[in-house]
Formats: sequence, structure tokens, C-alpha cells
Amino acid sequence: GAGVSQSPRYKVAKRGQDVALRCDPISGHVSLFWYQQALGQGPEFLTYFQNEAQLDKSGLPSDRFFAERPEGSVSTLKIQRTQQEDSAVYLCASSFPGVSYGYTFGSGTRLTVV
Amino acid sequence: KQEVTQIPAALSVPEGENLVLNCSFTDSAIYNLQWFRQDPGKGLTSLLLIQSSQREQTSGRLNASLDKSSGRSTLYIAASQPGDSATYLCAVRREGSSNTGKLIFGQGTTLQVKP
Repeated sequence: GAGVSQSPRYKVAKRGQDVALRCDPISGHVSLFWYQQALGQGPEFLTYFQNEAQLDKSGLPSDRFFAERPEGSVSTLKIQRTQQEDSAVYLCASSFPGVSYGYTFGSGTRLTVV
Repeated sequence: KQEVTQIPAALSVPEGENLVLNCSFTDSAIYNLQWFRQDPGKGLTSLLLIQSSQREQTSGRLNASLDKSSGRSTLYIAASQPGDSATYLCAVRREGSSNTGKLIFGQGTTLQVKP
């Protein structure tokens, strides 16, 4: 597609529920990133994929967070047993490999845990 | 640890004014710096990307400069319009992050341009 597509746009989850957030990157973009943005803050790095390989997951806040990209295209961020502090906008970005390229972000998924 | 700071946190100007947004970073070992725009409830739109070897980039009414040695970047907006109202974020990509691609963001400057 022309841009990075994320779904759902909004998700309300009851505390303790599992959620799955989807990211469909730009075709041909090898690199894929997940970021978490709390209200009024800048985005914070969660994890990075190059093709299907997860090269950096240092930003995942706990073992309740899990991300995958099994075929090197679509990625899913899963949060198990959601907590109120997980409420945030989850942004996905994709890029060509290499440091010369900028990132294209999706519109994000706003997760609210009640 | 790389830290990115944006000043001011919020800015309100009348339409037509030229304005400057500031971004500073603590570690000058960066590959590049990118400026983004974020509208309320929306994702990030890339505005300008400056490589570490470059001093500035221009796109329309926007001009971004980079002084890597002093750890500073500015985003200059000429002849501001109400449609420029948004939050502006800067982000740096650290050297040595070629295998991670991690961006470090500032907290953003929220701009309001009044008609």
C-alpha cells in the first residue's frame, strides 16, 4: 500500500484482557519498528525487526509484551494481561534498510485499558 | 545516554509570523535527525531528514538546520498559517544503531497559529 497501515485504530480492553495490534508496512520496507506514545510525551522505542528477525527488543516494558513478524511483512504486537499503565498510542513505522533513510509512521492504535 | 529536549513545550503565534522551534541532544554521535509533525489523534508525518554530514534541509516554508557538534537543531517555519498548528517532534538516530534503527524523540513543541 501507499502508507503504513495499522489496525484497529482504537481498542478498549478490560484489565487483564489480551490484545493484538497489527501493522502492515510499506511494501519493500525491510525495517519495521514499534513505538509507544503516552499522552503528552514523545514516542518511545519498543522493538525493531529487519525482515522477520527481531534485532532489538530492548524497549519492551515487560514480558507481557511480545512482537512478531513471521513472514517479514505484517507485524503483530501482542500485550497479555493488559494493565492500566499500558494505555497509550502504539505506533508502527517502516523504512528501507540503512541509515540514509527516514521512517514512515502509521496513524497508530490508541489502546485504553479500563 | 542520549537525551533529546525541545524548547518551548508550547508556542502560540499570530498568523504570518516566522518562528523557530528548538531541539537539543546530549550525544553528538548521531547518524541523522528527523523532524516530524503530529496532528491531534494522528500518527507522525515526516517533514525533514538531515544526515549528520549535512547542515540544513529545506522543504517549502520549512527549513531545518543541524549543528552536530553543539547538539542542536532548529526548525524554521516561514509565514506561519493556521494549518501549521500541530505538535512538532524531533528525533535522532544514534551512531551504532544500524542494527536497531532506534530513534530517540523529544517531547515535542505544540504550536498554535491564530488567524
